[in-house]
Amino acid sequence: SQTIHQWPATLVQPVGSPLSLECTVEGTSNPNLYWYRQAAGRGLQLLFYSVGIGQISSEVPQNLSASRPQDRQFILSSKKLLLSDSGFYLCAWTPLGGINQPQHFGDGTRLSIL
Amino acid sequence: QKEVEQNSGPLSVPEGAIASLNCTYSDRGSQSFFWYRQYSGKSPELIMSIYSNGDKEDGRFTAQLNKASQYVSLLIRDSQPSDSATYLCAVNRSGGSNYKLTFGKGTLLTVNP
Repeated sequence: SQTIHQWPATLVQPVGSPLSLECTVEGTSNPNLYWYRQAAGRGLQLLFYSVGIGQISSEVPQNLSASRPQDRQFILSSKKLLLSDSGFYLCAWTPLGGINQPQHFGDGTRLSIL
Repeated sequence: QKEVEQNSGPLSVPEGAIASLNCTYSDRGSQSFFWYRQYSGKSPELIMSIYSNGDKEDGRFTAQLNKASQYVSLLIRDSQPSDSATYLCAVNRSGGSNYKLTFGKGTLLTVNP
């Protein structure tokens, strides 16, 4: 069966510090991968998606970047965090193609910026 | 910008009652519709998928879809306190972005013992 892992589970970072969140999927090949942010009291906002190694698309302009160095690894990064980057970050996957498929989420990373 | 609208709630029902959660969407080309349950502090968990007009039942959950009215609903029968959570409606985007989902902001359901 397929599983998705995210780490760390919680993170407290000062403004201006760098960020690296990692997501890996097991039990499948060539998944579509997604990064979302959920701010307090708000809906899920799609940040980035990837349909293959090295293929990253940004959904909204922002202070963050994403990379996919391996088939089942998706990384979310920032060089300098802003207060507005606080939130609950979720990685999700769908099978290859992902058309009409539900997305399955990892446990998430709760990021607090001080 | 295609949208998915949900009543934010809170929706409060007594234990054993039927909870009815509603969702409307604006993208007429959407083909797939999902309901997720999100407990406080946790990630969303898929509970129902529906692709055709009509009803789909799975245990205590029934999803209903009306594409003509652009309306999706979720019924929870015999509601339990453990059903207390935020329920997210998600709709796939049409056209070349049909592998992406648009999520509603969710409806908070509280089931009172």
